Amino acid sequence: GESVGLHLPTLSVQEGDNSIINCAYSNSASDYFIWYKQESGKGPQFIIDIRSNMDKRQGQRVTVLLNKTVKHLSLQIAATQPGDSAVYFCAANHNKFYFGSGTKLNVKP
Amino acid sequence: NAGVTQTPKFQVLKTGQSMTLQCAQDMNHNSMYWYRQDPGMGLRLIYYSASEGTTDKGEVPNGYNVSRLNKREFSLRLESAAPSQTSVYFCASSGSGANTGELFFGEGSRLTVL
Repeated sequence: GESVGLHLPTLSVQEGDNSIINCAYSNSASDYFIWYKQESGKGPQFIIDIRSNMDKRQGQRVTVLLNKTVKHLSLQIAATQPGDSAVYFCAANHNKFYFGSGTKLNVKP
Repeated sequence: NAGVTQTPKFQVLKTGQSMTLQCAQDMNHNSMYWYRQDPGMGLRLIYYSASEGTTDKGEVPNGYNVSRLNKREFSLRLESAAPSQTSVYFCASSGSGANTGELFFGEGSRLTVL
C-alpha cells in the first residue's frame, strides 16, 4: 500500500510571499504524483503533476519538487495571492491513488 | 463541457434508508471512481471502474454498491445508510489506464445520515 501525509495542517503566509507545502509518502514504488487544490465546498482541482523520472516540474507560479531518496514532495507557490487560499493535498500513485489529508493555506492581505 | 457532474449535491437520510448518488462524465474517460472525504483524513477510495462493464472494491467498500451503467455514468448506492456514512462523496474520472492519469473530480455530494 501507500501512506501519504502532509507536514502541516495549516500554513499562513503574507500576500506576495512564496508558499511551500510539503508532503511525504511511504512507498518507493509510487511513480506518479499530483497536487490538488480544494476550495471550500468544491471538488479538488488539479494543479500540477510529476512522474518519478523527474525531480522538478514548473507550471504557472507553481513548482513541484520530488525527492525520491527521502520520499518527499513539495509544492511551491510563488507570489501567493488571496485566491490561493484553499486546502492543498498531494496524491501518490502506486496501483491506485493515495491521498494526504491536506494543508490549509491562509493568505493574509 | 461540464466535466464530472454529481447529483444530488446535498442529502439528509435517516438510518436505514437507501439512496443512490449519480455521477456522469462527458470527457469520454474509461475510468471512474467514488471517494469519500472525512475531516482530517485524505480521500479514500470506495469503488472504482477501470472500464465500462467492470467494477472493483477500493479501500472502504463496505455498505456500498456501484453500477457502471455505461461509459458515462457510474452510480454509488447505499442500501441501508448508517451514521458512519455521513461524509462528502466525490466522483472522479480519468482518461488513461486505471490509476495512471490525472483524476478529474466532481463538486461533491454532501450526505448526512441521522
